[in-house]
Amino acid sequence: EAGVTQFPSHSVIEKGQTVTLRCDPISGHDNLYWYRRVMGKEIKFLLHFVKESKQDESGMPNNRFLAERTGGTYSTLKVQPAELEDSGVYFCASSQGYGFLSGNTIYFGEGSWLTVV
Amino acid sequence: SQELEQSPQSLIVQEGKNLTINCTSSKTLYGLYWYKQKYGEGLIFLMMLQKGGEEKSHEKITAKLDEKKQQSSLHITASQPSHAGIYLCGAVRSGGSNYKLTFGKGTLLTVNP
Repeated sequence: EAGVTQFPSHSVIEKGQTVTLRCDPISGHDNLYWYRRVMGKEIKFLLHFVKESKQDESGMPNNRFLAERTGGTYSTLKVQPAELEDSGVYFCASSQGYGFLSGNTIYFGEGSWLTVV
Repeated sequence: SQELEQSPQSLIVQEGKNLTINCTSSKTLYGLYWYKQKYGEGLIFLMMLQKGGEEKSHEKITAKLDEKKQQSSLHITASQPSHAGIYLCGAVRSGGSNYKLTFGKGTLLTVNP
């Protein structure tokens, strides 16, 4: 079974350009999450989709970030325009269920490494 | 201060040695995930701890959540070079959902052959 896959694995763009990151969750997982780690900081939550709906987007840093999950399958995270402080690793994760007590494991992808120059 | 503190920040051990990594929370944890990160491999799920006092093992790795649910430890027995990487703890704060994890900064483990 394929895990969470992310594309591109690495991206170098200039300040002011646009970058779109893609995430394919594990098949059958309704819950999809985006996290990111900027240099020197811990991994932080960005948002959570349940199917195609945004359940929680409280971690999105500003309106330059737009996440979509059309059809409830793969998701994209667009940064437009990119700024230097957006550099970091963007992780996508997915889980089948929603509840921690139910033992739902969150599986992470390999991350998309973004460098803004 | 950070919500989730990991110690040590980095650790170098000789192959075959045992080691322990700690994860301490300033708030009561509802539960905790342990992940391992290697470059290019993302976060690899290790274990999930749900109850105070719970202990789980997988191969040579054992993780425990203390009774008060404010500290977790991850212990590796007879370390191998394959154990090298960044170990991350992720805290679950709320009861209903597991979606918003709070992470520590990680512990970088190096195992010398």
